Parts: sequence; structure tokens; C-alpha cells
Amino acid sequence: EDQVTQSPEALRLQEGESSSLNCSYTVSGLRGLFWYRQDPGKGPEFLFTLYSAGEEKEKERLKATLTKKESFLHITAPKPEDSATYLCAVHTPLSGGYNKLIFGAGTRLAVHP
Amino acid sequence: DSGVTQTPKHLITATGQRVTLRCSPRSGDLSVYWYQQSLDQGLQFLIQYYNGEERAKGNILERFSAQQFPDLHSELNLSSLELGDSALYFCASSVGTITEAFFGQGTRLTVV
Repeated sequence: EDQVTQSPEALRLQEGESSSLNCSYTVSGLRGLFWYRQDPGKGPEFLFTLYSAGEEKEKERLKATLTKKESFLHITAPKPEDSATYLCAVHTPLSGGYNKLIFGAGTRLAVHP
Repeated sequence: DSGVTQTPKHLITATGQRVTLRCSPRSGDLSVYWYQQSLDQGLQFLIQYYNGEERAKGNILERFSAQQFPDLHSELNLSSLELGDSALYFCASSVGTITEAFFGQGTRLTVV
């Protein structure tokens, strides 16, 4: 069964302490991996799209990378405003050429001053 | 602002009732997705439409149904509501079927 697993479940960092979040996937055919940020009670906010192993995307303090089995979201010198749940999602193929977009459970990040 | 609009923002209803949640996708987007997010669970995929046609189905209960109209807006109908249906329901839209999806702010459904 197609699955997306994120680790750790929760992460507490001091402001300025860099770290990485992991997203591992077991899907029959990856058709895109996506990172989102979600604040409590709000809709997920799109961050990055990755399609191929070796691809990297960067935005401010965030950098996403992709290998054949997993993706990492690197957070450099985080600030308290980076506190949120970070979600990973993948498009997985279905019969008939269709796809399903499935999400991992997320990593809850708390950055303390 | 993602450009995806969901109404209503909040909904309180009694068990056994039926409700309709509405989603207007971003301009130009043909795909619409529906997700359920309960307090202790992640985003559970319910159903996806592309240009009016159902394209993918997740763990959507038989009491739930959805459709996408010719103007591309979508509605999620929830019937015979139970306490356990209380959750945030999100709609997302994307241009194609493998591109990034943009989410609305959700409808918080409370069943009492």
C-alpha cells in the first residue's frame, strides 16, 4: 500500500538551531512530492514541489531535497515564526492513469526564542 | 490567500442531519480535492474531481458524496451525520492532476 511517513512527529528547536525533517515514501510510482506548512486551524500552505531525485528547491530559510526513497526539509537558522506543522504529500498513480494525493501525518515544529 | 474559497467557515449541526460544503477553486484550476482532518488525525483524502469527472476516491464514507459542477465549483454533501464526523474539511485545487494543490481555509464542522 502506498504510504508517506514523516519523522520526527514533533521537533523543538532553539532559535537559530538548524535541523532537518524527513519524509519517506513507499509508492508504486512517484509523480511529484510536495511540502506544505500548516498553522493550527488553517489550510495547508504550499511550499515546494519536487519531481525528480536530486532536485532541490529553496525559499528563505527552507530547502527541500529529494532522493529515490525520501525527501528532506532543511531549516536553517529557524525563527519562532517558523513554528508550524510541516506536511509532506505525494501523488501516487491509480489505474486508468489517474492519481491520488496522499499526505503524511506531519512534523510539528516549535522554535523557541 | 490561496485563491480557493470554502463556505461556510463554521457549521454546527445535529446528529442525523445533512449538510453541504461548498468550494470555489482558483481561477483556471480544473482539479478539486476534498480532505477531512480530525483533531487527532492527519489529512485524509476523500475524493478528487477533474473538469467535472470523478478521478480518484479515498476512504470516503457512503454517507458522503461530492460533485463538481460545469463552472468547476464543487460541493461535498454529508448526510446522516454522526458525532465522529466533526472535523475540519478542506478543499484544494490544482491546474492538472499531478501539479501542486492549493488549499482553502476549511470548513469546521461540529456535530452535536
